[in-house]
Order: sequence, then C-alpha cells, then structure tokens
Amino acid sequence: NAGVMQNPRHLVRRRGQEARLRCSPVKGHSHVYWYRQLPEEGLKFMVYLQKENIIDESGMPKERFSAEFPKEGPSILRIQQVVRGDSAAYFCASSPSGRNEQFFGPGTRLTVL
Amino acid sequence: EDQVTQSPEALRLQEGESSSLNCSYTVSGLRGLFWYRQDPGKGPEFLFTLYSAGEEKEKERLKATLTKKESFLHITAPKPEDSATYLCAVQALSQGAQKLVFGQGTRLTINP
Repeated sequence: NAGVMQNPRHLVRRRGQEARLRCSPVKGHSHVYWYRQLPEEGLKFMVYLQKENIIDESGMPKERFSAEFPKEGPSILRIQQVVRGDSAAYFCASSPSGRNEQFFGPGTRLTVL
Repeated sequence: EDQVTQSPEALRLQEGESSSLNCSYTVSGLRGLFWYRQDPGKGPEFLFTLYSAGEEKEKERLKATLTKKESFLHITAPKPEDSATYLCAVQALSQGAQKLVFGQGTRLTINP
C-alpha cells in the first residue's frame, strides 16, 4: 500500500509567485491535515479537511493561504504571493475514519527567493 | 492552550546505553498522546499512541509510557540506527478537535 504522497518534494518560488502543494492521502483515508515546519521550529497545525469540507482552519494564516480537498483528486495547499517567511517544509498527513493516528507524507520543501 | 514540552532538546548516547526521553503536556482533556520518529529530510513516522494513564506500548528497543502529566519514551540498548528526532504530540478531546499539537522534539544521537 502506498503511503501519503506529496508533490513536488522541492519547490522554489520567487517572491510574489504562487505555490501549489499537492497531497494524495493513503488509499481509503478520508481525513487530511496540513502542517508546517519552519526552520528550527516544531510542527504546527494549519488545516484539517474532509472531502469537500474544511473542518478546522484555525492554524491557517488569515491571508494568502487556502486549502481544498475536492471530491476527486488530491488535496491542494495554495499560497499566493509568497514571501521569504513562507520558506518551510509543508507536511500532509491522513487518517482513516474512526482512527486518531495520522500518517505523514515526506513533505514539500518550499524555498522562496 | 494545549502545550507540549520535550526534554532534553538533544541527547548523545553510546551504543547500548539506555535512557529516557520526556514529554510533558497540558491539554484540556486528552484524546491521545502520540510518538513519532523523524529522520532528516523526511516526514514523521508514527510509532505509538497512548490513551490513558498507566498505558504502555513497546516496539523493538522502544517503550512508551503515560501518566496524567507526562509521557516517557524509554530506549533500551540503542543502536546507531535509532538516531533521529523523536516527536511527541497530543490530541485534545474537544469536539471536532483532530489536530496534533507537537513538542519541539528531542534530537537523539547514538554513537557506535
């Protein structure tokens, strides 16, 4: 069974560009989470989604960041007009219904020049 | 606010030298406490879930225990391949709360 897949693994953007990060959860998992790991900091929760619904976005910055998990296809984390402070590793995790364990993908490392 | 504090920040051990990592937490009702292992440049790898005080889980050289205020990850006779950052996280009982609140991690190095 394939685990959580994220792409791209590395992404370089210039200030002001858009970054789109993709996450395919473990097959059969209906819950998706996004976390951010800034350099020398711990993992911080951003958003929790189920298919076509945002359940908890309490960790999302108010501006420029959005997330979706459509009925078909991967979950997308979109960052508009990136700034240098957005440089970080972004991890996606998934869990099956009825279970609390979250399984993480390998992450996307975003570098903003 | 839910909080997790891990200690020490970094730990160096000789191969075979047993030790324990600490995770102290405050949470408004604990749904679960989770331990993960993270290697450089990779995503966290799930190790254990603990749900109630007194519970213990084991996997190879690792054993996790839980009290009402803290959790310990005991490493017995470690090997160099156990070198990694170990992360502790809590999940609150609040309705709809699924997010994990992570500590800063303990960076463990096992010297051969």
